[in-house]
Amino acid sequence: SQQGEEDPQALSIQEGENATMNCSYKTSINNLQWYRQNSGRGLVHLILIRSNEREKHSGRLRVTLDTSKKSSSLLITASRAADTASYFCATGRSGYALNFGKGTSLLVTP
Amino acid sequence: NAGVTQTPKFRVLKTGQSMTLLCAQDMNHEYMYWYRQDPGMGLRLIHYSVGEGTTAKGEVPDGYNVSRLKKQNFLLGLESAAPSQTSVYFCASRLSGPTDTQYFGPGTRLTVL
Repeated sequence: SQQGEEDPQALSIQEGENATMNCSYKTSINNLQWYRQNSGRGLVHLILIRSNEREKHSGRLRVTLDTSKKSSSLLITASRAADTASYFCATGRSGYALNFGKGTSLLVTP
Repeated sequence: NAGVTQTPKFRVLKTGQSMTLLCAQDMNHEYMYWYRQDPGMGLRLIHYSVGEGTTAKGEVPDGYNVSRLKKQNFLLGLESAAPSQTSVYFCASRLSGPTDTQYFGPGTRLTVL
């Protein structure tokens, strides 16, 4: 079963703008991860936030986690055309595998 | 260091044919996974392995078998392919613990006619 659900399904912005995408999940977690997938490629790990963390930064990425609301958000600041991709949140399951949401498709236009 | 590689990249099968997808990793990772990705469905876990010689079922295991005879390889088999198995298949591996990064291969695009 898919644990995480991203919102919105699709997002279109211009270069330089910020992009925010949200993820909601159903059960308690130890950590939540965000991945990026460029068209036709495999997924690339972006950032992991633990359940006892509220915010984490990595370059132009900022992730927040609200365990009381079972939600997370990914903010990409000063977006570039190269940020065009699908973004997925993922939570853990048995065997340390991941439950993925359906993803947010981000389009950044010059 | 090639990371996670998958063979083949593309394949077209007829209904009822069989095939094996190969995943190889050179990072000495304990855990390996097979996912499938369908349009609008995200990734779903087919089978996984927590170490050499072990396998376990994931979310959608029916119609697939796996083997992990060597630590670096994880094979996914389709004994009798069905059109419903048309998908993009991704292999992934992880070193050990829950906070370790999961590394993905480039995917295999399979079409079953």
